[in-house]
Amino acid sequence: QVLLEQSGAEVKKPGASVRVSCKASGYTFTNYYLHWVRQARGQGLEWVGRINPKNGGTSFAQRFQGRLSMTRDTSTSTVYMELRTLSSDDTAIFYCARDSSGSNDYFFDYWGQGTQVTVSS
Amino acid sequence: DVVMTQSPESLAVSLGERATINCKSSQSVIHGANNKNYLAWYQQKPGQPPKLLISWASTRESGVPDRFSGSGSGTDFTLTISSLQAEDVAVYYCQQYYLTPPYTFGQGTKLEIK
Repeated sequence: QVLLEQSGAEVKKPGASVRVSCKASGYTFTNYYLHWVRQARGQGLEWVGRINPKNGGTSFAQRFQGRLSMTRDTSTSTVYMELRTLSSDDTAIFYCARDSSGSNDYFFDYWGQGTQVTVSS
Repeated sequence: DVVMTQSPESLAVSLGERATINCKSSQSVIHGANNKNYLAWYQQKPGQPPKLLISWASTRESGVPDRFSGSGSGTDFTLTISSLQAEDVAVYYCQQYYLTPPYTFGQGTKLEIK
């Protein structure tokens, strides 16, 4: 079965960086895009960006441009999201989610369990 | 960016009664080439990640109870739960995936038992 397993909770100071991982299993890793979605406490869902595991190509939401990077390791079927210059506004749960398509931008059919990122001095 | 607006923000319905959630997009999300509406609905229960319920505005995912249905086209969409069960208490989100990036979600509708 498809499984997306995310790394554990992180606590960071303002100005620091955080890297969150998402390990995929149960399907061919390079056949489907992977997205990251952010959810602040008690708030809605916000798309952060996505990576094409086949070639490493990325697309990011405008508000994160310049401080966000996404990479993948095909040998371990893992994608990584790194967000730099953190502020308290970045405190949220970050989810990875699989796109239902590997060649188009479609809906998200499987989600990871989420990773809490807390930014506090 | 396409703005997705859900109504109501919260909803309380009696067990066994119908629940209706609306979603309006600021631009049409229907693709002229295939006549498909690029609209999905997700359910999120407390402490859990979102779960895909419906894609293409009206296609129920495998395993989703048939009391859940999606309808609408263009800019106006509806998620209907025909007979509310206790396990349906959740926040529901619509999402467009036609004009991307960015993917955009509605603000969510909190569904409770009356």
